[in-house]
Amino acid sequence: GENVEQHPSTLSVQEGDSAVIKCTYSDSASNYFPWYKQELGKGPQLIIDIRSNVGEKKDQRIAVTLNKTAKHFSLHITETQPEDSAVYFCAASSSGGGADGLTFGKGTHLIIQP
Amino acid sequence: NAGVMQNPRHLVRRRGQEARLRCSPMKGHSHVYWYRQLPEEGLKFMVYLQKENIIDESGMPKERFSAEFPKEGPSILRIQQVVRGDSAAYFCASSPRTSGSGDEQFFGPGTRLTVL
Repeated sequence: GENVEQHPSTLSVQEGDSAVIKCTYSDSASNYFPWYKQELGKGPQLIIDIRSNVGEKKDQRIAVTLNKTAKHFSLHITETQPEDSAVYFCAASSSGGGADGLTFGKGTHLIIQP
Repeated sequence: NAGVMQNPRHLVRRRGQEARLRCSPMKGHSHVYWYRQLPEEGLKFMVYLQKENIIDESGMPKERFSAEFPKEGPSILRIQQVVRGDSAAYFCASSPRTSGSGDEQFFGPGTRLTVL
């Protein structure tokens, strides 16, 4: 089955700086890669996703890149703000055959220092 | 448009009791997924259901755990004879499943189960 590795487990950056979180996956059949933000005591919130037919996607301060050959994808947050502090999870899935459950990384605790 | 709803938000059970967790998907979504999250861990896929059908239960323990999504009403995750190791946050997600290559899954607030 799929295995998703996520690094780093904790990331502390100064407010206004950029943050980068990286993930690798093992199953070459995976074709959908979402990123979730989870605040304490809440459910994961989808912030951005990318499909295997594109290499990059951007939404305001958030961007995701995908390298299918190397099987890795990354989340980039620019101009970080205090409200960006949360745990971020990457995930991967391959559609078809009922195998639509997401495989998650273990999460990155992002801390924005004022 | 209301999001995914889960209840109860917190559930306390003693060892050996049964736990029932409910999930109402977003309006218009007919696909439901259940995940379990242990402290300081990512979410682990348990089961994927459509109305009246279990599509993939490869992540669900074979004993004591069951799930259903009836034609009417919420999806139910049922844990019989709970043990302390079942203590976790259980999240439900729903999807519209409109495209052919992976669909967005929207998560509910979760049910935090504590087994005493």
